[in-house]
Amino acid sequence: GDSVTQMEGPVTLSEEAFLTINCTYTATGYPSLFWYVQYPGEGLQLLLKATKADDKGSNKGFEATYRKETTSFHLEKGSVQVSDSAVYFCALLNSGGSNYKLTFGKGTLLTVNP
Amino acid sequence: DAGITQSPRHKVTETGTPVTLRCHQTENHRYMYWYRQDPGHGLRLIHYSYGVKDTDKGEVSDGYSVSRSKTEDFLLTLESATSSQTSVYFCAISDGTGYQPQHFGDGTRLSIL
Repeated sequence: GDSVTQMEGPVTLSEEAFLTINCTYTATGYPSLFWYVQYPGEGLQLLLKATKADDKGSNKGFEATYRKETTSFHLEKGSVQVSDSAVYFCALLNSGGSNYKLTFGKGTLLTVNP
Repeated sequence: DAGITQSPRHKVTETGTPVTLRCHQTENHRYMYWYRQDPGHGLRLIHYSYGVKDTDKGEVSDGYSVSRSKTEDFLLTLESATSSQTSVYFCAISDGTGYQPQHFGDGTRLSIL
């Protein structure tokens, strides 16, 4: 079955540091890939997406490139802010048949210190 | 923001009591989902619906039932709550077209004592 593996946290960085959160996946066919962010006490918000190989998703300074050859979708940001502190989830959507179900990684907690 | 409302937002109840959580959407999306979120497990799918009265099980469906009598409402019921069902529950919706993402509600924090 489909699976998503993302780096375990927690990750602690200083403001303006470079961020990478690794995500790799196993799936049949051609899934779409997503990063969601969850701020404390809130639901999940879509951060960015990529629907085919070599697509780059970007939003709010975050980027991730869909790499089919390495089955990866790593999240990066060049300069993090305190407000980026949250839990980040990598997810894939494999729409085989009639099932549009997301498969999530376990999440990575990011804390950014001033 | 997608129009998704979960109710209640918080609930504390006792073991053995029935509990119903409600998800209401204003987007007229076909697909609706219930997840639970637990530390170390990420989000796990409980049940989902692909239309009115059309539902199917997810990976952690034991002890849960669902109903969808209208496009806009998706109910999750714990027939006899157990402490292992203490969790944060999220509803999500999607239009199910192409490769569109799911949009999530703000969650219901359920504590079973």
